[in-house]
Amino acid sequence: AQKITQTQPGMFVQEKEAVTLDCTYDTSDPSYGLFWYKQPSSGEMIFLIYQGSYDQQNATEGRYSLNFQKARKSANLVISASQLGDSAMYFCAMRGRTYNTDKLIFGTGTRLQVFP
Amino acid sequence: DVKVTQSSRYLVKRTGEKVFLECVQDMDHENMFWYRQDPGLGLRLIYFSYDVKMKEKGDIPEGYSVSREKKERFSLILESASTNQTSMYLCASVAPGMGEKLFFGSGTQLSVL
Repeated sequence: AQKITQTQPGMFVQEKEAVTLDCTYDTSDPSYGLFWYKQPSSGEMIFLIYQGSYDQQNATEGRYSLNFQKARKSANLVISASQLGDSAMYFCAMRGRTYNTDKLIFGTGTRLQVFP
Repeated sequence: DVKVTQSSRYLVKRTGEKVFLECVQDMDHENMFWYRQDPGLGLRLIYFSYDVKMKEKGDIPEGYSVSREKKERFSLILESASTNQTSMYLCASVAPGMGEKLFFGSGTQLSVL
């Protein structure tokens, strides 16, 4: 069975500092994808970054990077130079494919608060 | 731009009512999903569908059913609504490639009284 675990219900970080949001996963699928989404107070879900299980390098998108450690089954999100606008819920998600079905599940989320 | 449209932003129903939540996407995506979002529990997968008339149970299917008669429409049905089904319901669709991102609807906040 697939599972995503986010152990940090909340995190605080000072503006301009870096922060790491933890995500571990479990799957028996040989091929899978890992995603991070941001949900501000407005409620919309914003795609941040994607890492494929066969990608050799860690994904980066601007201030976001994904620290992918396949052997440890972890896919932590690193936000560099935090901004006040980064305050939001952050969800880790995994997409796996079994036979011809395509399943995508989420973790419980981490609420990030950036303070001045 | 892909659009995923959920028919209602807010819905109030009574216990025991049959409730239909509709979701329509305009990008010919095969895969569609229904999640419910509750504080502290994140997004939990109720049902998903990878083709017309095909459906798979997610992690919390009890009390729900779905219908996918046309590729663009994925409906979530609460056969007999209960108070513990009060929640935010999010529909999403995605293209087949592993790295494709989900497109979400704006959500339906359902209150069952």
